[in-house]
Amino acid sequence: EPEVTQTPSHQVTQMGQEVILRCVPISNHLYFYWYRQILGQKVEFLVSFYNNEISEKSEIFDDQFSVERPDGSNFTLKIRSTKLEDSAMYFCASSRFRDTTSGANVLTFGAGSRLTVL
Amino acid sequence: KQEVTQIPAALSVPEGENLVLNCSFTDSAIYNLQWFRQDPGKGLTSLLLIQSSQREQTSGRLNASLDKSSGRSTLYIAASQPGDSATYLCAVKTGGGADGLTFGKGTHLIIQP
Repeated sequence: EPEVTQTPSHQVTQMGQEVILRCVPISNHLYFYWYRQILGQKVEFLVSFYNNEISEKSEIFDDQFSVERPDGSNFTLKIRSTKLEDSAMYFCASSRFRDTTSGANVLTFGAGSRLTVL
Repeated sequence: KQEVTQIPAALSVPEGENLVLNCSFTDSAIYNLQWFRQDPGKGLTSLLLIQSSQREQTSGRLNASLDKSSGRSTLYIAASQPGDSATYLCAVKTGGGADGLTFGKGTHLIIQP
């Protein structure tokens, strides 16, 4: 079964460092998303991406964050200067179409990348 | 702003019992509602998706209902098994063209063998 792959599974970084989290979405999917989950908290929407541009972003997704699809397969989330509060599990997701209804157009999540900022 | 609440936060029951997980949301103008399962170290797995025009969806031992006007959904698990142990998340897609899902905090379910 096709899956969304995320790397690294766990990254530890020092405050102020840049971090890039990588995702390989399902090959025929067109919509890509990043969510995050701070330990013990809710999963929160960060950003959606379609046709090489941001479709929607939440208030969490400030200027410290950026996304891109550099080579047609990878989808990356960059945090420019990490803060302690960026420590979280970051989930990538993808879907074939924007409006996930059912069946073949489910929203598929990756296993997540755990980011620890010291 | 949409808020999603799940009750109970944790639940532990013996194997074989039927159980109900609850989800409520503040803004009834939703596009759809999904129930996910989250296992430690793994991603979120979509279990059931209910469109705003639907009342319920069923998949195997799982049945999810939606009462949009009252802002509530329930996930019914029949004949629970130890393999059902996981965190169950409810998420809504608000109408008006929003892409992102709004999640509840989840119910941590333990099925005792």
